[in-house]
Amino acid sequence: QQQVKQSPQSLIVQKGGIPIINCAYENTAFDYFPWYQQFPGKGPALLIAIRPDVSEKKEGRFTISFNKSAKQFSLHIMDSQPGDSATYFCAANRDDKIIFGKGTRLHILP
Amino acid sequence: DAGVIQSPRHEVTEMGQEVTLRCKPISGHDYLFWYRQTMMRGLELLIYFNNNVPIDDSGMPEDRFSAKMPNASFSTLKIQPSEPRDSAVYFCASSFVDHRGPAGELFFGEGSRLTVL
Repeated sequence: QQQVKQSPQSLIVQKGGIPIINCAYENTAFDYFPWYQQFPGKGPALLIAIRPDVSEKKEGRFTISFNKSAKQFSLHIMDSQPGDSATYFCAANRDDKIIFGKGTRLHILP
Repeated sequence: DAGVIQSPRHEVTEMGQEVTLRCKPISGHDYLFWYRQTMMRGLELLIYFNNNVPIDDSGMPEDRFSAKMPNASFSTLKIQPSEPRDSAVYFCASSFVDHRGPAGELFFGEGSRLTVL
């Protein structure tokens, strides 16, 4: 019940394309869903987050879509750039509990 | 602020040796987390502290692992004796309580890459 399942494990997209990363959770007690971005040799950093009372949140080229009934959420990157190549982690959080997905290695081809 | 500072950045050691990883959290943060990252298992939470007190160590793999936080500005993760399967990147992260809760945003260090031969 504490798992967050993330897919795909890896993704290659042409520059300008729209990579989509999907996550599913089981525990309905989670009330905050962040995405973290990690570049090689660095620690993960918060990218964007959403609460379950909204269905979509957009920040720049990054959009989270949230489906509460399906217990699923996804990250979309519009007009993807080679600089977006990184590992992306979804997570589910309540209070001091945060569970991470296993990550998606995204590569944007120039 | 300099962010979360971890040392060493890289450690290569032989099986059976003791390894100590160090972390300095961001000043004012009252939560500190230790994670282990591998390709197979992703980011695994090992232990976390609130106000220097260990809250949940259920992720610590076995008795060979121990963690301490003697004060608000320093924490250690020790592995004794180390084994090849402990090879991974170990991250320390800190956070503070805001409207998102205690773990609304984790600030990660750059990690300590451990290789056990």
